[in-house]
Amino acid sequence: EAQVTQNPRYLITVTGKKLTVTCSQNMNHEYMSWYRQDPGLGLRQIYYSMNVEVTDKGDVPEGYKVSRKEKRNFPLILESPSPNQTSLYFCASGGTGGIYEQYFGPGTRLTVT
Amino acid sequence: AQKVTQAQTEISVVEKEDVTLDCVYETRDTTYYLFWYKQPPSGELVFLIRRNSFDEQNEISGRYSWNFQKSTSSFNFTITASQVVDSAVYFCALSRYSSASKIIFGSGTRLSIRP
Repeated sequence: EAQVTQNPRYLITVTGKKLTVTCSQNMNHEYMSWYRQDPGLGLRQIYYSMNVEVTDKGDVPEGYKVSRKEKRNFPLILESPSPNQTSLYFCASGGTGGIYEQYFGPGTRLTVT
Repeated sequence: AQKVTQAQTEISVVEKEDVTLDCVYETRDTTYYLFWYKQPPSGELVFLIRRNSFDEQNEISGRYSWNFQKSTSSFNFTITASQVVDSAVYFCALSRYSSASKIIFGSGTRLSIRP
């Protein structure tokens, strides 16, 4: 089954404790992306990757890191989480260049206290 | 700069009414792509439609139709004879054709269909 998986689905952590949210897709997509969803703000792109070893900032990259060492995986790293990073996070993948429809993971609800 | 505006924050209609969700975009690119996604109460995001900037034909898929007008930079979505299952948050999005493609989403419209 074609899918995007994210782990964990729910996470409560404390300020400053490094965490990683994993994202994996099995559709051989080149384009992968991370978004955060906050009430009234819609989805905002954090980072995206056009292909392996090619990543770039979206609109809200501060406080986040990503890496793309393999085509299927695109982890999101919060080196020192803060309460303003409490949000619902979605990973997505799609065809070349982000100009095709994206397939979204189920979301990760992160709470930073 | 690119921008997507969904001015309607929430819409509530009675079942079987027609409803139109507005999407206005800004871009300086000549080649770009527009999308609509649906987020039902269960939370997942579901792709509905993709349209490129060179194709201004309106599209109909069952009860759903989309009106793309470059002259007004709008890509509106109409649901005909709405049903309770159409209740969701709907997002419009814009992607440029480029070697590096950010994707910009609107803030979403929450649609509630009352039985």
